[in-house]
Amino acid sequence: QKEVEQDPGPLSVPEGAIVSLNCTYSNSAFQYFMWYRQYSRKGPELLMYTYSSGNKEDGRFTAQVDKSSKYISLFIRDSQPSDSATYLCAMSGHTDKLIFGTGTRLQVFP
Amino acid sequence: ETGVTQTPRHLVMGMTNKKSLKCEQHLGHNAMYWYKQSAKKPLELMFVYSLEERVENNSVPSRFSPECPNSSHLFLHLHTLQPEDSALYLCASSQDRFDGLMNTEAFFGQGTRLTVV
Repeated sequence: QKEVEQDPGPLSVPEGAIVSLNCTYSNSAFQYFMWYRQYSRKGPELLMYTYSSGNKEDGRFTAQVDKSSKYISLFIRDSQPSDSATYLCAMSGHTDKLIFGTGTRLQVFP
Repeated sequence: ETGVTQTPRHLVMGMTNKKSLKCEQHLGHNAMYWYKQSAKKPLELMFVYSLEERVENNSVPSRFSPECPNSSHLFLHLHTLQPEDSALYLCASSQDRFDGLMNTEAFFGQGTRLTVV
């Protein structure tokens, strides 16, 4: 079983839709959870991070962590074509390793 | 621009060639990383340097040889690669090495797209 599972997509939605991106994980020691956004031909950039369980909101983006279910989500409200990218979840625990998901490719069409 | 610059952006090399990838960070960070990104696979950590000292070699074949001459520069020397080594190679840096006690944001470069023919 992979430590982090993420649906690769692609996920195609119309502009203005609410997007839900998800990852599941198996290691209960994970306590830092991150979402990276990667545009085509670019390196990943940190979008949001949360510590332990709970929600975090930043503009149109909301990150949720449910440690009891080992499930994290990123919601994008009022999605825009400029949100089209690959979204990578990443997490770390009591080690120095940052474990990434495979990434979900999102396309928002006008 | 994230402050991490990688060159070249694209590289095509034969299996008998020797080439090097270069990474430079202008952020004053103490830790630098090489990652490999292949299609439909998670980012794979290859090497970790902290204060210019290699602290992790993640079971990477010896045909990949890293070098960190100072805290701002990181190289990945390549020789006798295989076609399956074709991938996007990403360099990243962070203020300090991940230690599991605090979140440390990693800043990535744009990557070098490597094709081995």
